[in-house]
Amino acid sequence: EVQLVESGGGLVKPGGSLRLSCEASGFTFSNAWMSWVRQAPGQGLEWVGRIKGKTDGGTSDYAALVKGRFTVSRDDSKQKLYLQMNSLRTEDTAVYYCTTGRFGDHYPGYWGQGTLVTVSS
Amino acid sequence: QSVLTQPPSVSEAPRQRVTISCSGSSSNIGNNTVNWYQQLPGKAPKLLIYYDDLVPSGVSDRFSASKSGTSASLAISGLQSEDEADYYCAAWDDSLSGFVFGTGTKVTVL
Repeated sequence: EVQLVESGGGLVKPGGSLRLSCEASGFTFSNAWMSWVRQAPGQGLEWVGRIKGKTDGGTSDYAALVKGRFTVSRDDSKQKLYLQMNSLRTEDTAVYYCTTGRFGDHYPGYWGQGTLVTVSS
Repeated sequence: QSVLTQPPSVSEAPRQRVTISCSGSSSNIGNNTVNWYQQLPGKAPKLLIYYDDLVPSGVSDRFSASKSGTSASLAISGLQSEDEADYYCAAWDDSLSGFVFGTGTKVTVL
């Protein structure tokens, strides 16, 4: 059974940093393309970024709004995905979901339960 | 601001059928597959449809989807109270080099 468990959310001041983690199990993590998706309170879903699997080069792509501030990385030995968030803004307040593909299309198929990040002074 | 446009809400009586539209462009729906997601209140999204019109095992066959050109649609037949949720379409956008979600549609069972 695929499981994705996010952690690391919390309250942070504008301009601050935070690192989210996602522990994965139930599938071959090293080859999986992993993505982060967020949802601001009362708003819709927004793709944040992704990292390709090892066999596909392990490179990352980002949404324009977070490019240069957020970094997606992975530790295949620990089966963990990370999201390093720097220069946080109030508009980054959201629930952050860890996702992975389900049918070989690399798009969000399995989702974690999410972790809340609140950026406020 | 999303590049995929959905109606904000749809409502219908139990046992009836509703459809949700998703309008995009040649850089997303027109050139890539569409997924649909259901998000129940307070829960994480769940994959409902993949590869335009395929239904994952475990998802009710009351859900179906189609795509034509730069638009897609989701249909829910035999509407039930448990279908009350937010629904999102999504696709890769070649111009943005990112995965884009629709604006979301709230389904209400009257």
